[in-house]
Amino acid sequence: GAVVSQHPSWVICKSGTSVKIECRSLDFQATTMFWYRQFPKQSLMLMATSNEGSKATYEQGVEKDKFLINHASLTLSTLTVTSAHPEDSSFYICSARGGSGGNTIYFGEGSWLTVV
Amino acid sequence: AQKVTQAQTEISVVEKEDVTLDCVYETRDTTYYLFWYKQPPSGELVFLIRRNSFDEQNEISGRYSWNFQKSTSSFNFTITASQVVDSAVYFCALFLTGGFGANSKLTFGKGITLSVRP
Repeated sequence: GAVVSQHPSWVICKSGTSVKIECRSLDFQATTMFWYRQFPKQSLMLMATSNEGSKATYEQGVEKDKFLINHASLTLSTLTVTSAHPEDSSFYICSARGGSGGNTIYFGEGSWLTVV
Repeated sequence: AQKVTQAQTEISVVEKEDVTLDCVYETRDTTYYLFWYKQPPSGELVFLIRRNSFDEQNEISGRYSWNFQKSTSSFNFTITASQVVDSAVYFCALFLTGGFGANSKLTFGKGITLSVRP
């Protein structure tokens, strides 16, 4: 079946630094990828939708200059958390649109970010 | 606007009991997809099922079954003879396709924490 791989699974970074998370669709081309953030014991919050070759569409309240999303190819999207602060610590998870008719959403394994 | 409601927040059952997880959705679109995902403690989201709005057939997969009722905008999930390994958070989600562009969006319910005790 379709597989979405996310890397790194865990990352610890210092305040003020930037960290990049990669999301790859391994066996299908994903024209659309989604980035979510999940706080403990809460649902997934959509941050942005990225379409290959165009700018990402951010949800209301998500700072596009802080959460840079690049979807440079049909199999790779990246999320860069810039100038990270402790409040950015969270579980970030990506998903890619694929499958029959392109209407199945597969998720990566998620990335735990801790900013110290 | 689209919305997914999972009114149950936590359910605890004893192994081998049957359990039904409820999901009610709202949308004005006529074409949409409904999903169920399982999120174990490790965090990854495991795809369980996709159902499109034109297919109201119920589905059974092993111990899992799904009941899609458009008339009540519900897509309920039943686990038969539950097992400890079924313990996880279960999310119902609504996908409005919006073509292949930026209008496509997957909306999640708040999730149901299922605990299956031995």
